[in-house]
Amino acid sequence: QQQVKQSPQSLIVQKGGIPIINCAYENTAFDYFPWYQQFPGKGPALLIAIRPDVSEKKEGRFTISFNKSAKQFSLHIMDSQPGDSATYFCAASSGKAAGNKLTFGGGTRVLVKP
Amino acid sequence: EAGVAQSPRYKIIEKRQSVAFWCNPISGHATLYWYQQILGQGPKLLIQFQNNGVVDDSQLPKDRFSAERLKGVDSTLKIQPAKLEDSAVYLCASSLDRAGWGYEQFFGPGTRLTVL
Repeated sequence: QQQVKQSPQSLIVQKGGIPIINCAYENTAFDYFPWYQQFPGKGPALLIAIRPDVSEKKEGRFTISFNKSAKQFSLHIMDSQPGDSATYFCAASSGKAAGNKLTFGGGTRVLVKP
Repeated sequence: EAGVAQSPRYKIIEKRQSVAFWCNPISGHATLYWYQQILGQGPKLLIQFQNNGVVDDSQLPKDRFSAERLKGVDSTLKIQPAKLEDSAVYLCASSLDRAGWGYEQFFGPGTRLTVL
């Protein structure tokens, strides 16, 4: 019940395209859903996060869509650039009561071709 | 503001040897996490500290892994003896301890361990 399932494992798009990464969860106690971006040789860095009472959140070219009833959320990268080529992880947490512990998805490697 | 520091960045050892990793979190961050990231997978939490105390070590293989956080600042993670399947990147992260929704974990660059 603690799993977060992420798909696809990898994605190749042309510059300007919109990579979409999907995640699904089972634990209804999750109340915090961040996305992390990781470049080779670096640690993950927080990109954007959403709470379950919001259906969409945008920050720059990154958008999270959240479907509470389906227990799914997704990341869209608008007008993707070669510099967006990285591995993206979705995650979920059930908050301070659970020690703010993050459960990560398996990751999606995104390649944006020039 | 300085980020999370980790050392060494790379380590190669033979199986059955021991190894230790060091982490210095962001100043003022009460919570410190150690994650194991196997190639091609997402980070998996090994242990979480709140100041000096352990909050969660349910996924730490305690027969071979140990961790400590003395004085509520720096932390070390030790593996003794190492197995081939311990080859991974070990990430340290820290966060503020605050109430309310949402928080950010700041990750260090990780230590890449290869066990031969």
